[in-house]
Amino acid sequence: RKEVEQDPGPFNVPEGATVAFNCTYSNSASQSFFWYRQDCRKEPKLLMSVYSSGNEDGRFTAQLNRASQYISLLIRDSKLSDSATYLCAVGNYGGSQGNLIFGKGTKLSVKP
Amino acid sequence: NAGVMQNPRHLVRRRGQEARLRCSPMKGHSHVYWYRQLPEEGLKFMVYLQKENIIDESGMPKERFSAEFPKEGPSILRIQQVVRGDSAAYFCASSPGQGLEQYFGPGTRLTVT
Repeated sequence: RKEVEQDPGPFNVPEGATVAFNCTYSNSASQSFFWYRQDCRKEPKLLMSVYSSGNEDGRFTAQLNRASQYISLLIRDSKLSDSATYLCAVGNYGGSQGNLIFGKGTKLSVKP
Repeated sequence: NAGVMQNPRHLVRRRGQEARLRCSPMKGHSHVYWYRQLPEEGLKFMVYLQKENIIDESGMPKERFSAEFPKEGPSILRIQQVVRGDSAAYFCASSPGQGLEQYFGPGTRLTVT
């Protein structure tokens, strides 16, 4: 089983739609969780951190389910500019570790 | 407030040459991470450094690759005797501490001909 798995998509949705992505992780001791977006041939940009209590930033809502070991990202009222690849990242810290483990990403295409 | 800076943005090397990639972290950040992304692949961790120390190099190939983060100046990822398979985008990220959000630089796209 891969450490961090995402549905690669693509998700093709019309403007205004609500779309949800899931990401599963294998290490139950993982401590931190993030969503990044990456545009074609650009660097990943931090979208939001994911907390146990869930968090919301405008049209974006992120949730963590530790029991089932997955995180989710919900995008409401999709915009054309939301078209990108969404990467989930999981951090296992402690000792000498400090890196993030990334999923391969889910591609979103929002159509007019 | 400059973000993470990387240079060069594009680097072309012939097989057998050396590649040096530089990364300056965000102001106030002392933790630097290097990742590699192959076409159509995910980001893969290579090495984690703090000033003058390599904290975790578990993702670094054993040969030809090295990294440093000196007391003064940028972090450097060095690839000796490059091969075609080294062609990739190399991203640097920085954070203010272990376990905190990482912010990425624009990357260096290495092409080995």
